Amino acid sequence: QVQLVQSGAEVKKPGSSVKVSCKASGGTFIGYAISWVRQAPGQGLEWMGGIIPGIGTANYAQRFQGRVTITADESTSTAYMDLSSLRSEDTAVYYCARSGAAAGTFGYWGQGTLVSVSS
Amino acid sequence: EIVMTQSPATLSVSPGERATLSCRASQSVGSNLAWYQQKPGQAPRLLIYGASTRATGFPARFSGSGSGTEFTLTISSLQSEDFAVYYCQQYNNWFMYTFGQGTKLEIK
Repeated sequence: QVQLVQSGAEVKKPGSSVKVSCKASGGTFIGYAISWVRQAPGQGLEWMGGIIPGIGTANYAQRFQGRVTITADESTSTAYMDLSSLRSEDTAVYYCARSGAAAGTFGYWGQGTLVSVSS
Repeated sequence: EIVMTQSPATLSVSPGERATLSCRASQSVGSNLAWYQQKPGQAPRLLIYGASTRATGFPARFSGSGSGTEFTLTISSLQSEDFAVYYCQQYNNWFMYTFGQGTKLEIK
């Protein structure tokens, strides 16, 4: 069974950066897309971008272009999401999610990482 | 960007009754539509993909229908564990995914 385990909660200052990790186990890492989805408090889900480990470059939602970097380390089966120039509106739970039964869907999710941005 | 619009924002239904949730896409997504269930404090869980295929672990009272721009999630006889927030997501274009804003299904 695929499991995604994310790094712990972070508290950041405005203007700084945060890097969240997502370690996969129990399945094949290479070739299965991993995306990052965030959820602000009391709000809906927002797709940020994704990568196919071992195959392609990352792709990002337009609103995050230039501010987010998604990478994958095949040697450790770990994906990373780096978000820069943080502002209070970036306070959210950040999830990694792996493709599921259909490519483009999210059948496996990490537990979520709360990133709080406050001065 | 394809905009996904869900309605209603909140749906109040009694246990045992039927619930019907709607999702509309701003342009055709074919059958590349998924539904997710999210309970408080938990990650979302894939419920339906391909507009109508139930994911593993969900009972037959959950069904999805539609294609193109109009989609429906139906829960035929609500159980207590079904009260949650439901999101639709389109995946018609690779790595250009969008979610609806969610429908909260609450106990009447």
